[in-house]
Amino acid sequence: GAVVSQHPSWVICKSGTSVKIECRSLDFQATTMFWYRQFPKQSLMLMATSNEGSKATYEQGVEKDKFLINHASLTLSTLTVTSAHPEDSSFYICSASTSGGAGTDTQYFGPGTRLTVL
Amino acid sequence: AQSVTQPDIHITVSEGASLELRCNYSYGATPYLFWYVQSPGQGLQLLLKYFSGDTLVQGIKGFEAEFKRSQSSFNLRKPSVHWSDAAEYFCAVAPSNDYKLSFGAGTTVTVRA
Repeated sequence: GAVVSQHPSWVICKSGTSVKIECRSLDFQATTMFWYRQFPKQSLMLMATSNEGSKATYEQGVEKDKFLINHASLTLSTLTVTSAHPEDSSFYICSASTSGGAGTDTQYFGPGTRLTVL
Repeated sequence: AQSVTQPDIHITVSEGASLELRCNYSYGATPYLFWYVQSPGQGLQLLLKYFSGDTLVQGIKGFEAEFKRSQSSFNLRKPSVHWSDAAEYFCAVAPSNDYKLSFGAGTTVTVRA
């Protein structure tokens, strides 16, 4: 149980185009989903938190107009990288939680999406 | 703000030998502490977590971790590693009243035959 999938697993795009990444909770309803970014040999950095039906909450320094997050249902959240540039190339990971209000909630992680912007 | 330090970037261990991964945190109070493992092509998997109580925590896959308040540490151990334990390991902390995880930089474990 508690499986989270991401699609696509990898994507290559041209500079200036937009890319959408999907995150799905397959066997549970995710009230809260999180989006992380991971650079090579570095830690995961939280980008934003989304609750179903609400606007996402972005971490300091993350451009909300560039990284559009939509959490339209309890099983799906999407991250759209708009007007992507080479510096946006990274590994994007989502996680999902059945609730989101306390540190005791377990986050279930997706396998990640490798984005390469040429 | 809390921070997490994993001093070892890369550890190589022989199959069957013991393994210890270090994790130190900086936080004003006792945070919630986690260890995750990341294998290629797979999502981060929770190995174990500590919230309160017994400072020695048992996890999955034969792993355990010990919380030491005096040292602000939460080191992960396994008595005998298997080749399948080769992966990236992340220590993470969350404030007791918040869900936001802060991750360490990770330790890559290589297992040699």
